[in-house]
Amino acid sequence: GENVEQHPSTLSVQEGDSAVIKCTYSDSASNYFPWYKQELGKRPQLIIDIRSNVGEKKDQRIAVTLNKTAKHFSLHITETQPEDSAVYFCAANSPGNTPLVFGKGTRLSVIA
Amino acid sequence: GAVVSQHPSRVICKSGTSVKIECRSLDFQATTMFWYRQFPKQSLMLMATSNEGSKATYEQGVEKDKFLINHASLTLSTLTVTSAHPEDSSFYICSASGGGRTEAFFGQGTRLTVV
Repeated sequence: GENVEQHPSTLSVQEGDSAVIKCTYSDSASNYFPWYKQELGKRPQLIIDIRSNVGEKKDQRIAVTLNKTAKHFSLHITETQPEDSAVYFCAANSPGNTPLVFGKGTRLSVIA
Repeated sequence: GAVVSQHPSRVICKSGTSVKIECRSLDFQATTMFWYRQFPKQSLMLMATSNEGSKATYEQGVEKDKFLINHASLTLSTLTVTSAHPEDSSFYICSASGGGRTEAFFGQGTRLTVV
């Protein structure tokens, strides 16, 4: 089955700097790669996603890149703000009603 | 996005009792619902996949007789934690997909504490 690895597990950045979180996946059939932000005690919130027919997607300060050949995808947050502090999860799944497989998460701290 | 409602959001129960958690898709037909468990400072781990009208498929290491899942309609799936023990204390969260969507939509989650 699918296996998703995520790095780093923790990341501290100064406010205004960029943050990059990387994930790799194992199943070449996977074609959907969402990123979630989870605040303490709350449900994960989808912040951006990318499908396998696209190499890059951007939404304001957030961007995701996908390298299908290498089977890795990354989240980029620019101009970080304190409210970006949270745990971020990458995930992957394959076509059909298959479950998302999550990475282990990255705890991002943005220091004001 | 679609709306998935999960109840209760928080429950405390005594060891040995059972707890039922409901997951409802409010504005789409969820042919598949997934149940995850999240221990503190850990990722979401898939427990089981339930398809409407059929038996749930459990992940390795998850006891099907302890975590009873029912998906009797296209809008409702329930997870019952039977004979709960303190080690079952966790954050349980459902997600639903269907209606041709690839995305999964999460319920609010249920914080279960077994005392």
